[in-house]
Amino acid sequence: AQSVAQPEDQVNVAEGNPLTVKCTYSVSGNPYLFWYVQYPNRGLQFLLKYITGDNLVKGSYGFEAEFNKSQTSFHLKKPSALVSDSALYFCAVRALYSSASKIIFGSGTRLSIRP
Amino acid sequence: DTAVSQTPKYLVTQMGNDKSIKCEQNLGHDTMYWYKQDSKKFLKIMFSYNNKELIINETVPNRFSPKSPDKAHLNLHINSLELGDSAVYFCASGAGGKNIQYFGAGTRLSVL
Repeated sequence: AQSVAQPEDQVNVAEGNPLTVKCTYSVSGNPYLFWYVQYPNRGLQFLLKYITGDNLVKGSYGFEAEFNKSQTSFHLKKPSALVSDSALYFCAVRALYSSASKIIFGSGTRLSIRP
Repeated sequence: DTAVSQTPKYLVTQMGNDKSIKCEQNLGHDTMYWYKQDSKKFLKIMFSYNNKELIINETVPNRFSPKSPDKAHLNLHINSLELGDSAVYFCASGAGGKNIQYFGAGTRLSVL
């Protein structure tokens, strides 16, 4: 079954410290992986994606993610957290659906950055 | 210039009523989606249309009927609303499965 897992419901980090939000996936074929962020009362916004190429992908707002094929992981990282990074983060994977494809989202991780 | 806009933003209604949510995108995308986000923030796809054709239909009760009059619009009609339909419904558009999806701000549906 094609799926994506975010093992942490919540991650708490002090401002200025590095942050990691974990994601693992299970998919047949080459994975297409995404990270989205959701601020309160807003829709999801795209952060970054991995399709092919370098394992380290850079995205919006200083975020990056590392694709690790052997560990089937795609963890989101940022070297120095900001209070404004506090939000709900979703990892997602493209899954095949009949002749089409769809995006399967993880359960979300709430990131809380304390001043 | 809102890329994906959905109306209304809030919808409060009684059980058994019928309601519609409208969605429009001005990005020129061929594909549009409806997602449901429950109270635990879990996000699940409901439907997807490509050029007005239904391509994804998850196990959604047939009280939910999407309609796409053209590729820029995807509306969601819900018959005989139930308490369990209370959620935030998001419309999104994209240029295909490998590509980014752009989300509307959501419609918070409360069924009383």
